[in-house]
Amino acid sequence: QKEVEQNSGPLSVPEGAIASLNCTYSDRGSQSFFWYRQYSGKSPELIMSIYSNGDKEDGRFTAQLNKASQYVSLLIRDSQPSDSATYLCAVNGGTGGGNKLTFGTGTQLKVEL
Amino acid sequence: GAVVSQHPSRVICKSGTSVKIECRSLDFQATTMFWYRQFPKQSLMLMATSNEGSKATYEQGVEKDKFLINHASLTLSTLTVTSAHPEDSSFYICSAIAALLAGGYETQYFGPGTRLLVL
Repeated sequence: QKEVEQNSGPLSVPEGAIASLNCTYSDRGSQSFFWYRQYSGKSPELIMSIYSNGDKEDGRFTAQLNKASQYVSLLIRDSQPSDSATYLCAVNGGTGGGNKLTFGTGTQLKVEL
Repeated sequence: GAVVSQHPSRVICKSGTSVKIECRSLDFQATTMFWYRQFPKQSLMLMATSNEGSKATYEQGVEKDKFLINHASLTLSTLTVTSAHPEDSSFYICSAIAALLAGGYETQYFGPGTRLLVL
């Protein structure tokens, strides 16, 4: 059974702080990993994708992948109130999964003034 | 790039009627599109995988005769909710795969969603 697990939160951080969002997955065959941001009432928006172990940085966002530990994280630096949303971790390419994404239930992030 | 549109964005219909939702990839060709449903405060639930020119693949528990999917071209997939009932009221979201040049991995880009309310 493929699973992607996230802490549902809410995770509250003060404005300007670093928000750290974590995700674990069960299928060792997974090949690609994504972070999506979903505002209330809206559809998911791609934030980051990562395929290799290590860090990948894009602006204020850094994705970290550790395949040995089956762990992927998203760091948001200098958090802004506009970052308040639900962040979905998604995993692709696992055993028999093809192009289908398996989503976590999402972590709600609240950035407080 | 990689823009996906959906139409309509919101629809209200009477119980027993059918509703068609369109999903279009605007600036790329999508051989594969996906249809999701999301209930309030829940995560996305994959309903089916839509492949251009072939029958859709439905997830377990999704009625293929109720949720008709047609993927007639590389830029358009449609979902028809037949004989809709109040329990079908939900947020329906499509996504399309845009192939990446490097690494060969494919990323899903989501449409803005269609909110369906069945009275």
